Amino acid sequence: DTGVSQNPRHKITKRGQNVTFRCDPISEHNRLYWYRQTLGQGPEFLTYFQNEAQLEKSRLLSDRFSAERPKGSFSTLEIQRTEQGDSAMYLCASSLADVGSGSPLHFGNGTRLTVT
Amino acid sequence: GENVEQHPSTLSVQEGDSAVIKCTYSDSASNYFPWYKQELGKRPQLIIDIRSNVGEKKDQRIAVTLNKTAKHFSLHITETQPEDSAVYFCAASLSGGYNKLIFGAGTRLAVHP
Repeated sequence: DTGVSQNPRHKITKRGQNVTFRCDPISEHNRLYWYRQTLGQGPEFLTYFQNEAQLEKSRLLSDRFSAERPKGSFSTLEIQRTEQGDSAMYLCASSLADVGSGSPLHFGNGTRLTVT
Repeated sequence: GENVEQHPSTLSVQEGDSAVIKCTYSDSASNYFPWYKQELGKRPQLIIDIRSNVGEKKDQRIAVTLNKTAKHFSLHITETQPEDSAVYFCAASLSGGYNKLIFGAGTRLAVHP
């Protein structure tokens, strides 16, 4: 399968712990996005990379959240001092070109985070 | 701020009927409008998309229409089948800066045999 791959699929953690998720995009895609999805809602934009450069971060992203894409391939999303409100599905997506040009987003299966 | 509104939130139809889902967007410069289908526990998957220079696009039983003046677009599914049951999300691209998609809240479609 050459689609977007995310690990782990599920993560249960206690409040206050740090967690890190990984995303491997489709190999030729240099645009990578992180979205968050809560129950009954659409995906909510978090951040965007073009190659290794993080070009945009949502105002929703507190300073407890950090994302990296060090070599322009895989990306990690870290949440420090997790809170129960962080419980959600974290979706990674990639695209070949800018979405405004009609290049579609391809999503991974997501990492479901539960903070107890 | 920028947003996409989607209606209805739930839709129940009989197999063979048509289903229509509508979305409105706020950024008049949006130029790309995809629709995603998400089955329970699975990733959102693109089913059809349309660019702003086109008013309608069709792919077998699925069609999308776009009215740029009114800033709304719609998904039409004809001859619905039980396997069409899922949550459908519309999205619109944002202009300016770096492109990203803003999603609607979703429509849960149930097709009853």
